[in-house]
Amino acid sequence: RKEVEQDPGPFNVPEGATVAFNCTYSNSASQSFFWYRQDCRKEPKLLMSVYSSGNEDGRFTAQLNRASQYISLLIRDSKLSDSATYLCVVSGAGSYQLTFGKGTKLSVIP
Amino acid sequence: NAGVTQTPKFRVLKTGQSMTLLCAQDMNHEYMYWYRQDPGMGLRLIHYSVGEGTTAKGEVPDGYNVSRLKKQNFLLGLESAAPSQTSVYFCASSALYGYTFGSGTRLTVV
Repeated sequence: RKEVEQDPGPFNVPEGATVAFNCTYSNSASQSFFWYRQDCRKEPKLLMSVYSSGNEDGRFTAQLNRASQYISLLIRDSKLSDSATYLCVVSGAGSYQLTFGKGTKLSVIP
Repeated sequence: NAGVTQTPKFRVLKTGQSMTLLCAQDMNHEYMYWYRQDPGMGLRLIHYSVGEGTTAKGEVPDGYNVSRLKKQNFLLGLESAAPSQTSVYFCASSALYGYTFGSGTRLTVV
């Protein structure tokens, strides 16, 4: 089983739509969780951390379910500029090393 | 604000040639990492360092060597390049979990 699994997509959605990405992880001892964004031919950049209580940053909402080892990212009111690949990222137990999912590609269409 | 700088940005090598990729960070981060990213494979950790003078193997270390002689620099060496090492290489640094990535090196081995 892969350590971090994501639906590869692509997700093609119209502007203004709500889109949700899901991710599962295999290491139950993982302690920290993140979503990164990667634009085409660019480096990954931190989008947001994910907390057990759930957290929101503008149009973006992240949720974590430790019991199910499941992470989600919800994007509301999609913009053209949201088009990118979204990477689910999980830390190791007691380690600052991060394991990256392969990413889900999002294309927001006018 | 330089952050993480990678050189070179592009390189074409012939099979069997050697080269060194340089990563420099100006954020006084302890941790540094080298990843490779291939289509459909996501980011895979090659080697990492938890401090000056220390290095460790990641998920895919074969064919690569690294050195961290100075805290701000992390070098990745290819001793005898192979076509399978054609990839995009990303360096990252972190204090804890917040990784900052360089803009990448696109390497082609022919």
